[in-house]
Formats: sequence, structure tokens, C-alpha cells
Amino acid sequence: QKEVEQDPGPLSVPEGAIVSLNCTYSNSAFQYFMWYRQYSRKGPELLMYTYSSGNKEDGRFTAQVDKSSKYISLFIRDSQPSDSATYLCAMRTGANSKLTFGKGITLSVRP
Amino acid sequence: EAGVAQSPRYKIIEKRQSVAFWCNPISGHATLYWYQQILGQGPKLLIQFQNNGVVDDSQLPKDRFSAERLKGVDSTLKIQPAKLEDSAVYLCASSQTTGARGQPQHFGDGTRLSIL
Repeated sequence: QKEVEQDPGPLSVPEGAIVSLNCTYSNSAFQYFMWYRQYSRKGPELLMYTYSSGNKEDGRFTAQVDKSSKYISLFIRDSQPSDSATYLCAMRTGANSKLTFGKGITLSVRP
Repeated sequence: EAGVAQSPRYKIIEKRQSVAFWCNPISGHATLYWYQQILGQGPKLLIQFQNNGVVDDSQLPKDRFSAERLKGVDSTLKIQPAKLEDSAVYLCASSQTTGARGQPQHFGDGTRLSIL
């Protein structure tokens, strides 16, 4: 079993849709949870950074962490064509430890 | 704030040749990471530096990969000799080490390596 599992894609939605992206993990020591967005031929760009359980909102993006279920989610409201990219979940055990990534899911938002 | 700089952007070599990648982290970031991202996969850590010391190189194939971070700033990653399975994007990331809860990692755009 991989440490981090991410829903397989690709995912295609119409503009304006609400998108839900999910990851599960097996290592209960993970405490820091991140979502990165990666455009084609670019490096991962940090979207959301959360510590422990709970919700965090930033504009159209909401990150949820449920440590009891070992489950994290990213919601995108009013999705735009510019949101078309690969989304990677990532997590780590300590403040400066390595990141463990999911495989990523490719999202396409149709105009 | 300038981001993480990497060069070259692309490199094509034949198997058994050697190759080197360069990374300049964000100014003031003490921690530097090299990740390997194979097509269709998430990045995988190869090596982590804290200033110029190695923190984690447990997943670095040391028989062919080496990395250094002289003076605690720039870093180079070398592969010698290259194998076909080394075809990937090599990403450099950096982070500050302040704060009890750490700081997020910021990535460069990577070097895309193709082995023929």
C-alpha cells in the first residue's frame, strides 16, 4: 500500500463547476498537508498549506483535513479554465521533513 | 522575491553519459531539496540539505547519483553514468527553517532529462 493515494484521473468539468479532489494516506505521523498545482512543464506551485485537522479557505479554494479518517480534500468553487492543471497532494511528518506526494490528478475545465 | 532557479531546462543525453543540474534557491532559504518526478507520478525526494549538510539521502541511488551544496547556497546534482530509467524531471525546492510548524517548500520549474 502506498503511503499516499490520490484519486485517479483525468477529471473534466464545465466552467463554473465545483471540483472535489481527494487523497488518503496510511501514515498516521503525517501532520502537515499541502496541495500543489502544476501546470505543464512547470514546477509545483503551492496552493494550500495546513497543519493538523480542520478546514482552510483561500478565495475559491478550500482544503479539508480529517486525520481520524486519514483523508484530505481540496474543493475548487466556480472553476475556471485557468484552473486546468495537475493537482498534487503532499504531506510530511515534521516541520522540515521531506514531502510525500500523491500521483497527481489532471483537471480540465471546459469553457 | 525571486523564485528557485534551475538550469538547464532541458537535457538530452545517451545512456552511460554523465549530466549535471544546477539549482539556486530562494535567498535566505537554508533547506534545499532535490526531487525526481517521473512522468505520471508525484515528485520523489532524492536528497535534502540543511545549509551545506545532508539531512536525508536515503532514496538517492548513490552508485550513480551525487549532490553537493557548497557554501550552503547553490547546489548541483550529478548522474554518472545515466540509465534509461533516469529519464524524468529533476526538481529543486527550498524552504526556510523558521517557525515551530515549518515553512512550505517552493519549487523551481525543473530540468527535463531524456536518456536515449
